[in-house]
Amino acid sequence: GEDVEQSLFLSVREGDSSVINCTYTDSSSTYLYWYKQEPGAGLQLLTYIFSNMDMKQDQRLTVLLNKKDKHLSLRIADTQTGDSAIYFCAGTPGGYNKLIFGAGTRLAVHP
Amino acid sequence: DTGVSQNPRHKITKRGQNVTFRCDPISEHNRLYWYRQTLGQGPEFLTYFQNEAQLEKSRLLSDRFSAERPKGSFSTLEIQRTEQGDSAMYLCASSSRGAVNTGELFFGEGSRLTVL
Repeated sequence: GEDVEQSLFLSVREGDSSVINCTYTDSSSTYLYWYKQEPGAGLQLLTYIFSNMDMKQDQRLTVLLNKKDKHLSLRIADTQTGDSAIYFCAGTPGGYNKLIFGAGTRLAVHP
Repeated sequence: DTGVSQNPRHKITKRGQNVTFRCDPISEHNRLYWYRQTLGQGPEFLTYFQNEAQLEKSRLLSDRFSAERPKGSFSTLEIQRTEQGDSAMYLCASSSRGAVNTGELFFGEGSRLTVL
C-alpha cells in the first residue's frame, strides 16, 4: 500500500524543539520529503532525505529516517512563531512518478 | 519570479455546471501534476504529464474529469457536471527530470472550487 500517516496536531512553546513524526508502509521510495504549507500559500519543499541515509541536517532542521521501522521525523530546533504551518511528509513509492502525501501535522507555536 | 501559476484562484459554481482550471508550470519543467486537497487532508494525486503525454491517472479521476497539456506547456483540468463532492483545492505542480532529479515538486497556490 501507499499509506503515509502523521499525527494531526502539535503545539510547542516558542524556542523549544518540535518533532513531527511520520510512518509509511511502502519502503520503495527513493527519496522522502517534508513540505510546509502556510495559510493561503502553496506547498513548499522544506527538505528531503535520500533513502540510504539515516540523518540529514539543514540549519534548524534535522531529518531522521528509520528504515527498519518505516519512520521519518522532522525536528525543528528553536521553533519560532513563523514556523506555525501544516507539515506534510511525502514519499515516492514505486519511483519518481508521483508524491504520496500524509494528511499533515498542524504545528502551533505559542509564546 | 516565474513559479507555477494557477487560474482562477477561486471558482464558485452551481452543481451541474462545468469548470476549467489552468496551470502554467515553471517553463523548463517537463513534468506537470494535478493534485486535489480537501480540508484536513494532504494532497491526493490525480494525474501527471511528461511533456504532452498523460502518463498516469488516479482512480480518483472519474469520467467527469479530463486533463490536457496539448503543447507540453500549460495544462487544463476540466470538471464536467460538477457535484458538491468536487469542492476542494486543486493543486498543480511541476518538476524537471534530470540526471540528479530528486523528485521535488514545485506547487502553485491552487484553485479553490466551491460547488453550491
